[in-house]
Amino acid sequence: NAGVMQNPRHLVRRRGQEARLRCSPMKGHSHVYWYRQLPEEGLKFMVYLQKENIIDESGMPKERFSAEFPKEGPSILRIQQVVRGDSAAYFCASSPDEGGANTEAFFGQGTRLTVV
Amino acid sequence: LAKTTQPISMDSYEGQEVNITCSHNNIATNDYITWYQQFPSQGPRFIIQGYKTKVTNEVASLFIPADRKSSTLSLPRVSLSDTAVYYCLVGRNTGFQKLVFGTGTRLLVSP
Repeated sequence: NAGVMQNPRHLVRRRGQEARLRCSPMKGHSHVYWYRQLPEEGLKFMVYLQKENIIDESGMPKERFSAEFPKEGPSILRIQQVVRGDSAAYFCASSPDEGGANTEAFFGQGTRLTVV
Repeated sequence: LAKTTQPISMDSYEGQEVNITCSHNNIATNDYITWYQQFPSQGPRFIIQGYKTKVTNEVASLFIPADRKSSTLSLPRVSLSDTAVYYCLVGRNTGFQKLVFGTGTRLLVSP
């Protein structure tokens, strides 16, 4: 069972371009979370999705950022018109369909976005 | 979600036992305590989870006093490869919810 797969691992975009970050959860996981981490800081929650539904997007900036988790295919975090401040590591995590006390989240290796 | 407070950093030497304490004064009845480990340039990794008293696995032990307002992650005989950031999280034990990470504790293990 492969772990959470994120691609690309590194992404360079010029200011004003669009960035698309992909996350394939572990097999059997239908819950996906996106986090952003700036250098030397902790992870900041962005959005929580369950197949085709956004459950909690309280950490998403109001503009330029969007996320989806279609019925088929990976979850996508899209950043439009990127700015230098968007440069960060973006981590995706997934958790199994059964919830409760033992709901461990599994994280991917992250996508490092650099805006030049 | 209960807020957590941890030391910003800790230093240790190979072979020593390291104890990292986390304060969570507002922990709720249904909240569990979970610790994650993050190496540079990698995503966090689950270490251990507990509700009360003591939990032990092959990696660490977690000590939780009766009032549950704090918890201590214990790493026995650390090695250089244990250098990482350790995060303490608190959240309910049912359903799904976002994980809220604080700044974590940066552990540096030296030879």
